[in-house]
Amino acid sequence: GQNIDQPTEMTATEGAIVQINCTYQTSGFNGLFWYQQHAGEAPTFLSYNVLDGLEEKGRFSSFLSRSKGYSYLLLKELQMKDSASYLCAAPYNQGGKLIFGQGTELSVKP
Amino acid sequence: EPEVTQTPSHQVTQMGQEVILRCVPISNHLYFYWYRQILGQKVEFLVSFYNNEISEKSEIFDDQFSVERPDGSNFTLKIRSTKLEDSAMYFCASEPVPGTSGREQYFGPGTRLTVT
Repeated sequence: GQNIDQPTEMTATEGAIVQINCTYQTSGFNGLFWYQQHAGEAPTFLSYNVLDGLEEKGRFSSFLSRSKGYSYLLLKELQMKDSASYLCAAPYNQGGKLIFGQGTELSVKP
Repeated sequence: EPEVTQTPSHQVTQMGQEVILRCVPISNHLYFYWYRQILGQKVEFLVSFYNNEISEKSEIFDDQFSVERPDGSNFTLKIRSTKLEDSAMYFCASEPVPGTSGREQYFGPGTRLTVT
């Protein structure tokens, strides 16, 4: 089966760095996604990791450890607009559905 | 930049009525999905569609649900007899070619369905 766990909510300060963790158990591995979702809006793609290590994309980076079933999303130089829900998701199989975690609601305070 | 579009943005219906939610996926994409998100809960997979047929469906996707790609552009989700618990945000997504590097599913803005 598939199971994805992430913290429910986090709070951070504008300008700071925050790390959002995700652990997963999957019957097969086909990569790991991070999506951002603002309230009432669609999820938007942030990153896709299929190999171990850190992938940096501007202020956002994503890390994957396949042996530990662990990923994190790192957000630097936080801005107020980064307040959103961050969803960890894994494809169930090679070409199919995404299984989503509950999402981590990030609040960025001034 | 191409995007997935969905109509309507908000649909209010009475229990027992039929609703059709419409989606226009990105034109060169081959895999299509419907997901739903009940308020405050996680995004849940409903159904995937490839090569003009359902490739996978979840337990949620019972006989009350159906999908169709009536022409080369639209992708619809029909709920035959809505229940209160069908109230949710419904997202359509499309994907270029599954299994290739850099793959991602592109989500539409969603249709908020309210069943009264």
